[in-house]
Parts: sequence; C-alpha cells; structure tokens
Amino acid sequence: RKEVEQDPGPFNVPEGATVAFNCTYSNSASQSFFWYRQDCRKEPKLLMSVYSSGNEDGRFTAQLNRASQYISLLIRDSKLSDSATYLCVVRGAAGNKLTFGGGTRVLVKP
Amino acid sequence: DGGITQSPKYLFRKEGQNVTLSCEQNLNHDAMYWYRQDPGQGLRLIYYSQIVNDFQKGDIAEGYSVSREKKESFPLTVTSAQKNPTAFYLCASSRISTRTQETQYFGPGTRLLVL
Repeated sequence: RKEVEQDPGPFNVPEGATVAFNCTYSNSASQSFFWYRQDCRKEPKLLMSVYSSGNEDGRFTAQLNRASQYISLLIRDSKLSDSATYLCVVRGAAGNKLTFGGGTRVLVKP
Repeated sequence: DGGITQSPKYLFRKEGQNVTLSCEQNLNHDAMYWYRQDPGQGLRLIYYSQIVNDFQKGDIAEGYSVSREKKESFPLTVTSAQKNPTAFYLCASSRISTRTQETQYFGPGTRLLVL
C-alpha cells in the first residue's frame, strides 16, 4: 500500500460547479498535511495547509479526518484557472521529510 | 526577490555522461531537497541536506550524488550509473522547525532528457 494515495482523475468539472476529492494516508503518526497545486510542466506550489479543525481559504476548503486517515479538498464555484493537478502531501512524525501523493487532476470546462 | 532558482531549464544527457543540475536559494533556509518526478507520478526524494557539509540519501539515491558546500547551494549530479534519468527534477528548501506547518518551497525544475 502506498503511503499517500490519491484518485488520479481526471475530474471533469463544469465551470461554477463544486468538486471534492480525498487523499488517504497510511501512517497514523503523520503530523502535518498540505495540499499543493501543480500546473502542467511547472513546480508544485503550496495551496493550503490542512488543520485538524478544517480550514477554508476563499473557495477552497480542506478537512482532516484522523480516525479514517484521510484529508479532503473541496473547490466551490470552480474557475477555468483551477484546472491543475492537486498533490496531497503528508509530513511524518519526525523531521521535515514530506511524502507526496501521485496527484488528482482536475479539468474545469466552460 | 527571494526564491529558489534551478538551471538549466532543459538538459540533455548523452549515454555515459555525468551531468550536474544547479539549485540556489536566497531564502536563508537550512534544509534543501532534491526530488524526481516521472509522468503521472508523485515526487520521490533523491537526497536532502539539513546543514552545510552534510546530506542524507532519500528513497531513490542510487545513480545520483550531491554536495552542500554552501548554505545557498545544493547541486545534484546525475551519474552514468543512473540508467533511467529522464525525468523532471525539482529542488526544494525549507526552514528546520518543530512548527508542524513548516513546509517546503520548490524551484521551477529542470527537465532532463537522454539523447
């Protein structure tokens, strides 16, 4: 089993719709969780951290479920510019090492 | 501007040749990392360094070497022993902190192709 697993998609989303997807992690001792966004042939960029109580940043909402060991990302009112691959990233119990999921591709269409 | 730079953007390697990818940061970060990304896959850690003159192997270090002579610089050499080097190489840096929300920031990447 991979340490961090994501549905690769693509999720085809009409512009203005809501899309949500999850990421599961295997190490129950994981400390920190993040969502990164990666555009085609570009570097990953931090989208948001995921806090235990859940957090929102504009149209983006992240949730953490420690009991079931998954995090989620919800995008409301999708824009064409939201088309990208979203990487789930988990920081382990020790050190600064991060483990990356394979990414979920989102395509927002007019 | 503060950030991470990588060069070159594209690099071509001939059979049996060693090539070196450059990574520089002016964020005053202590830790630096090298990742490899293959199409449709997540990032895999090659090497990382948390202090000058010290570095550790990541998950896929075979066929690669690094040095950390300066805090700002962490070059990666892809040696001829790496049989499948074609990939997108990403350098990252971070502060070293017990703060759980500390994370890594990436350079623009180098795309390596084998001729």
